[in-house]
Amino acid sequence: AQTVTQSQPEMSVQEAETVTLSCTYDTSESDYYLFWYKQPPSRQMILVIRQEAYKQQNATENRFSVNFQKAAKSFSLKISDSQLGDAAMYFCAYGHMEYGNKLVFGAGTILRVKS
Amino acid sequence: EAQVTQNPRYLITVTGKKLTVTCSQNMNHEYMSWYRQDPGLGLRQIYYSMNVEVTDKGDVPEGYKVSRKEKRNFPLILESPSPNQTSLYFCASSSGWEEETQYFGPGTRLLVL
Repeated sequence: AQTVTQSQPEMSVQEAETVTLSCTYDTSESDYYLFWYKQPPSRQMILVIRQEAYKQQNATENRFSVNFQKAAKSFSLKISDSQLGDAAMYFCAYGHMEYGNKLVFGAGTILRVKS
Repeated sequence: EAQVTQNPRYLITVTGKKLTVTCSQNMNHEYMSWYRQDPGLGLRQIYYSMNVEVTDKGDVPEGYKVSRKEKRNFPLILESPSPNQTSLYFCASSSGWEEETQYFGPGTRLLVL
């Protein structure tokens, strides 16, 4: 069964600095998708970034980028120039269409941003 | 505006009183899912549907029912709620085989006394 592990329950970052959130996963599949979702206090699930496993190039979305290491099954999220609005719970998720389009989530990392 | 809506957003009920949480999407998506979120466990899939009249169990289906009579709607039914079903529930949808990204509703916070 696929599993996703986020080993950092909480992280803190100073405003304008860079922080990296870790995620590892376990799968025997070769073609899959990985996601980072942000959950602010409103509880809304907001897609931050998505990575297709067949693509070697790391995905980027403005201040958000990933370091995708397929062999190591690692998928970390880097947030540059952190802003107060980045404070939230961040979830790493694995997806594979064969399993009913199910997303398997990690337990989440709470990110606190200090001003 | 493309969106997934859920109702109600907040619900307090008592053990054994049947309830339904509605979910609707306006993106003509094939896939719809229900997840529950619990502290320390992330989100776990309850049920999913690949199309109208096609549903299947996810990882934690016990105590829940679903139906998919129309493409846009995917209600979650708790026939006899119990306190261990107190949770935050999310409905999600995606377009299908070419698009893995799931779009989530705003969540329904359920408290079962």
